[in-house]
Amino acid sequence: ILNVEQSPQSLHVQEGDSTNFTCSFPSSNFYALHWYRWETAKSPEALFVMTLNGDEKKKGRISATLNTKEGYSYLYIKGSQPEDSATYLCAFYTGTASKLTFGTGTRLQVTL
Amino acid sequence: NAGVTQTPKFQVLKTGQSMTLQCAQDMNHEYMSWYRQDPGMGLRLIHYSVGAGITDQGEVPNGYNVSRSTTEDFPLRLLSAAPSQTSVYFCASSFRQVNEKLFFGSGTQLSVL
Repeated sequence: ILNVEQSPQSLHVQEGDSTNFTCSFPSSNFYALHWYRWETAKSPEALFVMTLNGDEKKKGRISATLNTKEGYSYLYIKGSQPEDSATYLCAFYTGTASKLTFGTGTRLQVTL
Repeated sequence: NAGVTQTPKFQVLKTGQSMTLQCAQDMNHEYMSWYRQDPGMGLRLIHYSVGAGITDQGEVPNGYNVSRSTTEDFPLRLLSAAPSQTSVYFCASSFRQVNEKLFFGSGTQLSVL
């Protein structure tokens, strides 16, 4: 069973703060790394799928970077807004057996 | 465009009962999967399918059965429900491979008494 770890488990920031969190995964047999946003009472929605070492993706105020050699990805949120409050999940794919392994997520709460 | 449709949203079962969770997608996705979400744990893969007629086990397959007779549908069957199967279940699909983004259904909250 692959170990995908996310830190911190939870985060509480003020509106306007910038924040970041980490997804750690095995550096061997890397194929793809996914990020999802999961709002309460909704379903997870894809943010990014990253495949190349050094890759950077951006969607509005949210961006992500990938380091496959050391086995981590960072998700950044610039100028957090209350609507950014959600659990952010990462998921790791080795390229074999069509299985995506999810981390337990970072729960972000943004208050006014 | 409906996306991934999952039914029912809520279900209460008694131990030993069987039931089927339905999942359908209208995006012509080849890859479909079932996950369960339990407190303190990440989404765990139950079963998946890479195309019609092809299914395989995920991380936690025991007590569940699947079939994929069409591209659109991927039902999950609980053969004899147990309290340990109390969970939130999500169906998810992607266009061709699991390294492409997943689209999730709205989830089924299942309680087994």
